[in-house]
Order: sequence, then structure tokens, then C-alpha cells
Amino acid sequence: AQSVTQLGSHVSVSEGALVLLRCNYSSSVPPYLFWYVQYPNQGLQLLLKYTSAATLVKGINGFEAEFKKSETSFHLTKPSAHMSDAAEYFCAVSVHNQAGTALIFGKGTTLSVSS
Amino acid sequence: DAGVTQSPTHLIKTRGQQVTLRCSPKSGHDTVSWYQQALGQGPQFIFQYYEEEERQRGNFPDRFSGHQFPNYSSELNVNALLLGDSALYLCASSREWDTQYFGPGTRLTVL
Repeated sequence: AQSVTQLGSHVSVSEGALVLLRCNYSSSVPPYLFWYVQYPNQGLQLLLKYTSAATLVKGINGFEAEFKKSETSFHLTKPSAHMSDAAEYFCAVSVHNQAGTALIFGKGTTLSVSS
Repeated sequence: DAGVTQSPTHLIKTRGQQVTLRCSPKSGHDTVSWYQQALGQGPQFIFQYYEEEERQRGNFPDRFSGHQFPNYSSELNVNALLLGDSALYLCASSREWDTQYFGPGTRLTVL
């Protein structure tokens, strides 16, 4: 079975500082990995995805994530935080098989950005 | 090009009632998935529809049922509502095995 663990339910950074949101996954087969962002009272927006191509994945809004199989990690980073980055971030894993493509989400990390 | 749309935006029901939520996928998408997001939690997979059939189901009771129509739109039905069913219900659409894109959700409150 697949699962996702997001370390740190709340991360606070200053504007301009590095953003690092941690995600570890468990999967018995090669996974597909995703980061989604959720702003208050909205649905989920895809930031980036890993589908077994390049291990360093670039997404929208300056975010990127690196797939490390040896560490079973897929941490999300952004070099310089902006106030507009404050939101809830979810890491998710899916396995594509004949049964379907269900996403398994972590519990989320709330990112706060202070000026 | 319209994204995934859901209706209604908000809904208030009482325990024991039944509710139907609706979802229209992005143009070109043929697969619809439903998720339940309780307050402060990550979304949990309910089920996925493809070619009008339930293809995959999460760990939800039979009170949760769905349907997909020939135009790929979908409904989520919940019977005998419980207080614990209060949540944000998210619909996601995709082109079969491809990336899922989410709608804005329906906020269900059960009193």
C-alpha cells in the first residue's frame, strides 16, 4: 500500500527566505508523486509532478522538488518565499494500475510567510 | 477553457438526510474522482469513475455512491447523513491515467 508522510504540520519563514517542505512516501512500486497547493476556501492546484522522468522537477511559481529514491523523499523547495506563498501544501502519491489512479495525500503543511 | 466545476458551493443538511453533489470535468477529460477533505486533514479518496463505471473505490461505506453520465459529468450521493460527513468534497478530473485537476469543492455541513 502507498502512503505519504509530511513532516511538520506548520512551517514559518520570512519573506525572501528558503522554503523547504518535507515529504516522504512509501510505495512498493515506482510511484507518481505530486505537490498540490490549497488557498483558503479553494480547491487544490497542481504545483508539480514526478512521473519517473527527471528526478528534479520544476513547477509553477518558482517551486521545485527532487525525487530521491534512496531516501524515499520528495521535498518541495523554493529559494525565496513570497507573501503570496502562504497556503496549505499537500504531497500525494499514486500508483497507476488497472484498478485506477487514486491519489493518497499527506495531512498537509501550512506555510506561513512573515514580512 | 473552463476548469472543473462543482455545484453547489455550500450545502447544509440534517442528520439522516440524503445529498447529491455534482461535478463537470475539464473539457477533454473522461475520468472523475471524488475526495473528502475533513477540516484540517488531507483529502481522502472516495471513488473514481471511468466510462460510466466505478473503477476504484476507497475505504468509504456503501452510503457513498456515485454515477458518471455519458458526457463524463458525475454525481456523488451520500445517504443517511452523519455529523462526521461534514467536509469539503472535492472532484478531480483527468484524461484517463493522467494528472488529476481539482474543482473548487462543495462544503457540506451536517447538523
